[in-house]
Amino acid sequence: DVKVTQSSRYLVKRTGEKVFLECVQDMDHENMFWYRQDPGLGLRLIYFSYDVKMKEKGDIPEGYSVSREKKERFSLILESASTNQTSMYLCARSFLEGSETQYFGPGTRLLVL
Amino acid sequence: GNSVTQMEGPVTLSEEAFLTINCTYTATGYPSLFWYVQYPGEGLQLLLKATKADDKGSNKGFEATYRKETTSFHLEKGSVQVSDSAVYFCALRVAYGNNRLAFGKGNQVVVIP
Repeated sequence: DVKVTQSSRYLVKRTGEKVFLECVQDMDHENMFWYRQDPGLGLRLIYFSYDVKMKEKGDIPEGYSVSREKKERFSLILESASTNQTSMYLCARSFLEGSETQYFGPGTRLLVL
Repeated sequence: GNSVTQMEGPVTLSEEAFLTINCTYTATGYPSLFWYVQYPGEGLQLLLKATKADDKGSNKGFEATYRKETTSFHLEKGSVQVSDSAVYFCALRVAYGNNRLAFGKGNQVVVIP
């Protein structure tokens, strides 16, 4: 069974706090992705990584950064959380080549007060 | 650029009714197309996919056919159940080599007993 684990299901933070969202995979997948999901907007890609220490911006990278020091772990960082970053955050992973299927974690619902 | 458009609004229907969710795409070349489903409280999971024109993806009674001439990938199910209540996302692969996907906005489907 393919697993993607996200560190928290629910998180409440205050404006200006630094927030870390962790994603861990148990397979040897090269690609990892961070999305945010908002009603009426669907999924929007924030950042993705195709290898350790490699990263590329997605469609909405502003206000976010990422870290991938080990292949199995991909972290999303909100340097200074703002209320407009209240959202559901989804992590996904896939192989670099071959199967195109992305496997998703259960999501982290973040509320910024 | 590559993008996906899903029909607007939630879909509410009775058990055993016929379900159609429209999806059209804009793309250069012939991208792979996907339907993902998100059950309440969970992350997304792949429902079905098609990798070339005229391919039909199918799973759990759902079907979708890759129509190049109409640039469409509509999802259908002949007889829905309450357990099919979920959010459905159409997606296409944006670029080769990194398995990046572009998602539609999603459709909430509610099946009433």
